[in-house]
Amino acid sequence: EAGVVQSPRYKIIEKKQPVAFWCNPISGHNTLYWYLQNLGQGPELLIRYENEEAVDDSQLPKDRFSAERLKGVDSTLKIQPAELGDSAVYLCASSYGENTEAFFGQGTRLTVV
Amino acid sequence: AQSVTQPDIHITVSEGASLELRCNYSYGATPYLFWYVQSPGQGLQLLLKYFSGDTLVQGIKGFEAEFKRSQSSFNLRKPSVHWSDAAEYFCAVGERGDYKLSFGAGTTVTVRA
Repeated sequence: EAGVVQSPRYKIIEKKQPVAFWCNPISGHNTLYWYLQNLGQGPELLIRYENEEAVDDSQLPKDRFSAERLKGVDSTLKIQPAELGDSAVYLCASSYGENTEAFFGQGTRLTVV
Repeated sequence: AQSVTQPDIHITVSEGASLELRCNYSYGATPYLFWYVQSPGQGLQLLLKYFSGDTLVQGIKGFEAEFKRSQSSFNLRKPSVHWSDAAEYFCAVGERGDYKLSFGAGTTVTVRA
């Protein structure tokens, strides 16, 4: 079974440029998460989807961040415009319901210069 | 609000020696508890989880953890460490009825020959 797939693995952009990250969750997993992991810290939730619906986006900086999950499968996280402080690892995870663990992708390491 | 504390930022252990990583949480009810491991440049891999039942849980790679409600702790142990166990370890807490995970800041484990 394929795991959570994220792309790209690495991205370097100049500040004020837009950037997008893509995630393909494990087949059959209705719940999808985007986490932000700063250097030396644990992941922090940005947004959670149940199928197509964003059910928890309280930690998503909506002035510059947006996300979508069309058809309840793949998801895209976008930053526009990027700032230097956005440099971090962006992790996608999925799970198939309550009382189940989240499976994580390898992450996208973003460097904003 | 939930909080997770991993008191040890960095632990160095000799190969073959035992390892214990500490995790304390602050939460009113019985939480879901997880330990994840992250190798450099990789996503998070689940080592073990506690939802209910036996408070001593076995995981992959020879790891185990014990849930102690009275101490609000969920410490991770391994009797004999291998060089491949060098990585960063994250304790995470989930809330029943809520899928959000709160992560600790992580403990980096270095294994010396």
